Amino acid sequence: AQSVAQPEDQVNVAEGNPLTVKCTYSVSGNPYLFWYVQYPNRGLQFLLKYITGDNLVKGSYGFEAEFNKSQTSFHLKKPSALVSDSALYFCAVRDNTGGFKTIFGAGTRLFVKA
Amino acid sequence: GAGVSQSPSNKVTEKGKDVELRCDPISGHTALYWYRQRLGQGLEFLIYFQGNSAPDKSGLPSDRFSAERTGESVSTLTIQRTQQEDSAVYLCASSPIGGSSTDTQYFGPGTRLTVL
Repeated sequence: AQSVAQPEDQVNVAEGNPLTVKCTYSVSGNPYLFWYVQYPNRGLQFLLKYITGDNLVKGSYGFEAEFNKSQTSFHLKKPSALVSDSALYFCAVRDNTGGFKTIFGAGTRLFVKA
Repeated sequence: GAGVSQSPSNKVTEKGKDVELRCDPISGHTALYWYRQRLGQGLEFLIYFQGNSAPDKSGLPSDRFSAERTGESVSTLTIQRTQQEDSAVYLCASSPIGGSSTDTQYFGPGTRLTVL
């Protein structure tokens, strides 16, 4: 069965500092991995995805994520956080066996302090 | 339209009543998903439709929940005999098949359901 774990309910970081939001997964077969962001009073937006190829994936707003197969992780990172990055971040996974059922993590709330 | 639309945006109902939620996916998107997001929690998968294939209903929490989709167009999620624990935001998403956008889900604004 597919599963996603976001071990931190909340991450606090000072503006200008690097940020990491953690995600680990479990799937049968090769994973397709995603990050989505939910800003206050706005809908969920796609941020980036890993399907195949380079383990380092670059996405919107300066975010990137690294796929680590041995650690079954897909942590979201940004070199320099902005106050405007404060939002709820969701990691998601599905396997590549043909279906499109996607499992989302519980979400991590990121607070960036000025 | 340019994006996924959902209606109504807000629905307040009394316990025991039936409700119907509507989702209009992006034109041409063959995959459509329904999720439930309770206050302060993550997304809970409910159901997805993929073209003319049988839908994956494995996430529906009880037989009070059902969903339909006609072809690759509108979908409706119906909750019968609503309970207070059904109160949540119901999100719909659609996804294209093929091309660089494959697998990316485009979310609607959601319907906030409150069961009194």
